[in-house]
Amino acid sequence: DIQMTQSPSSLSASVGDRVTITCRASQSISTFLNWYQQKPGKAPNLLIYASSVSRSGVPSRFSGGGSGTDFTLTISSLQPEDFATYYCQQTYSSFRTFGQGTKVEIK
Amino acid sequence: QVQLQQWDAGLLSPSETLSLTCAVSGGSLIGYYWSWIRQPPGRGLEWIGEINHSGNTNYNPSLKSRVTISADTSKNQFSLKLRSVTGADTAVYYCARAQNLGGRSNFYSDYWGQGTLATVSS
Repeated sequence: DIQMTQSPSSLSASVGDRVTITCRASQSISTFLNWYQQKPGKAPNLLIYASSVSRSGVPSRFSGGGSGTDFTLTISSLQPEDFATYYCQQTYSSFRTFGQGTKVEIK
Repeated sequence: QVQLQQWDAGLLSPSETLSLTCAVSGGSLIGYYWSWIRQPPGRGLEWIGEINHSGNTNYNPSLKSRVTISADTSKNQFSLKLRSVTGADTAVYYCARAQNLGGRSNFYSDYWGQGTLATVSS
């Protein structure tokens, strides 16, 4: 199994801050890495796929990068609607595992 | 617009079988993989498994012995059966469409159902 480890598990930030979340895979997964945003009581919403490709309609302040084992999701200027939990997911393996999540809270 | 509709799972007793169905509207099952993901209360996402329209499946190894995912292209829906449930299976269960960009690894889930809570309790 490929383990996905996100850091930090939670963070507090202010509106306008630049926020970076890291996702590390236990083995190389090339760029087969997706990022999702989840708000309380709602299904996850796809933000980024293939490590760095933004889904149509996702604000440009969200960006992703990385390859191999280390990946990042960056929010360039945090907005009130961005306070949520973020999950990475690898699809390199046919057992498509998620990271444990990073909760972004208001400072 | 693709929509995935799930029905209530409700309350189950330990050892029963959880059965869930996801109905797809606005698109066909053909050409995609269809997934089940669950989320225990207050916890993270756990991938359960997936199926394509041809019946090819992939499962979470830790659940494989208890899980069956099936698809019915005539009804445009797919289903999950999880046998011998325990309290550890209490979770919100989501269905999702997995878009394949080519190859065996290039997937992402772009449409999700609303989720349904399955509670296992005696």
